[in-house]
Amino acid sequence: QEKVQQSPESLIVPEGAMSSLNCTFSNSASQSIWWYQQHPGKGPEALISIFSNGNKKEGRLTVYLNRASLHVSLHIRDSQPSDSAVYLCAVNYNQGKLIFGQGTKLSIKP
Amino acid sequence: NAGVIQTPRHKVTGKGQEATLWCEPISGHSAVFWYRQTIVQGLEFLTYFRNQAPIDDSGMPKERFSAQMPNQSHSTLKIQSTQPQDSAVYLCASSSLSYEQYFGPGTRLTVL
Repeated sequence: QEKVQQSPESLIVPEGAMSSLNCTFSNSASQSIWWYQQHPGKGPEALISIFSNGNKKEGRLTVYLNRASLHVSLHIRDSQPSDSAVYLCAVNYNQGKLIFGQGTKLSIKP
Repeated sequence: NAGVIQTPRHKVTGKGQEATLWCEPISGHSAVFWYRQTIVQGLEFLTYFRNQAPIDDSGMPKERFSAQMPNQSHSTLKIQSTQPQDSAVYLCASSSLSYEQYFGPGTRLTVL
């Protein structure tokens, strides 16, 4: 059974600082890793995905993947109060189901 | 683009009653996924369809839960004889060949 674990459970970051979220997964055969953002009462919304080892940057977001250590991280530069949400790491297998971690609750303090 | 539509948004049932949840995927998307979200278990995969055919139902409880996709414009998740532990937010997602899954707002099911 694939497992995805996220840390920390919650994170408080001052406005303008860098937010760093971590995720480990159990199976290196995963196809792709996704980060989703979820606001209260809403469905998750995809932010960024990565397949190959290394890093990928989109706007204020950077994701790092290391398949050997089964670790992926998300970094949000210049964090804004509107970034406050739950962030979900999800692993995709065979272009099918997503296996989600428990989430990191991010709070940005003005 | 209206996104993925789920109805109803909230449903309250009594223990032992049946609940049917509806999902309308984004037009042109070939895959539909069902997930369940609770505080304790988090977001769990239930089942999915591609081109209306069932592909993977490994997350579905073996009894009482069933899902169908009778046409490309909607899918249903039916729970028979609902129990309090079925209370959750049920999320539907759809995707095209890009494999990004677009989620609906969810249906909050409360079983009294």
